[in-house]
Amino acid sequence: GAVVSQHPSWVICKSGTSVKIECRSLDFQATTMFWYRQFPKQSLMLMATSNEGSKATYEQGVEKDKFLINHASLTLSTLTVTSAHPEDSSFYICSARDPGQGRDEQFFGPGTRLTVL
Amino acid sequence: GIQVEQSPPDLILQEGANSTLRCNFSDSVNNLQWFHQNPWGQLINLFYIPSGTKQNGRLSATTVATERYSLLYISSSQTTDSGVYFCAVRRNQGGKLIFGQGTELSVKP
Repeated sequence: GAVVSQHPSWVICKSGTSVKIECRSLDFQATTMFWYRQFPKQSLMLMATSNEGSKATYEQGVEKDKFLINHASLTLSTLTVTSAHPEDSSFYICSARDPGQGRDEQFFGPGTRLTVL
Repeated sequence: GIQVEQSPPDLILQEGANSTLRCNFSDSVNNLQWFHQNPWGQLINLFYIPSGTKQNGRLSATTVATERYSLLYISSSQTTDSGVYFCAVRRNQGGKLIFGQGTELSVKP
């Protein structure tokens, strides 16, 4: 199957700083990538859909100025958590569809665990 | 929006036992996927199964699209099967992948 990577796998930062998370599709080109957030013992919640070369589409309740998404190429999307606060601590997971598969299957990165002190 | 319900929410098995996990969804879908989230958080694709039956080793899945449910079978469970199993569906091409709440499986040696 298709491979999606994320970096970093974990990050600890002080309150008020910004953190950038990278998501890469390693063996396919992804015109669309997705960012999810997962709290402990809960399911995945879609935050936004990242489109290559255009603005991201955010889900209701997600602050676009807080979670900046950039999809500059067909293999890279970034999520920047700006002015992070302890309540932003969570597990962030990116995902992409591989159009070359000929079907609508979605693949996920290994996730980034963010802890804001 | 579409609702996805998984059952049971928790399951404890002895190594070697078999189990069936269920996923009900409230509307027609063109995509259904089963994932295993391991203890490190990685989601592993198990099946892409909008309809029909598939098997992969000790795991198999069946989706009955007309009745809006899917089943995941795990046979001869192993401790490495532990983790959370998610069902996720998409209504149409290009739409959002909606997740169920998951089934947390613990396999004891």
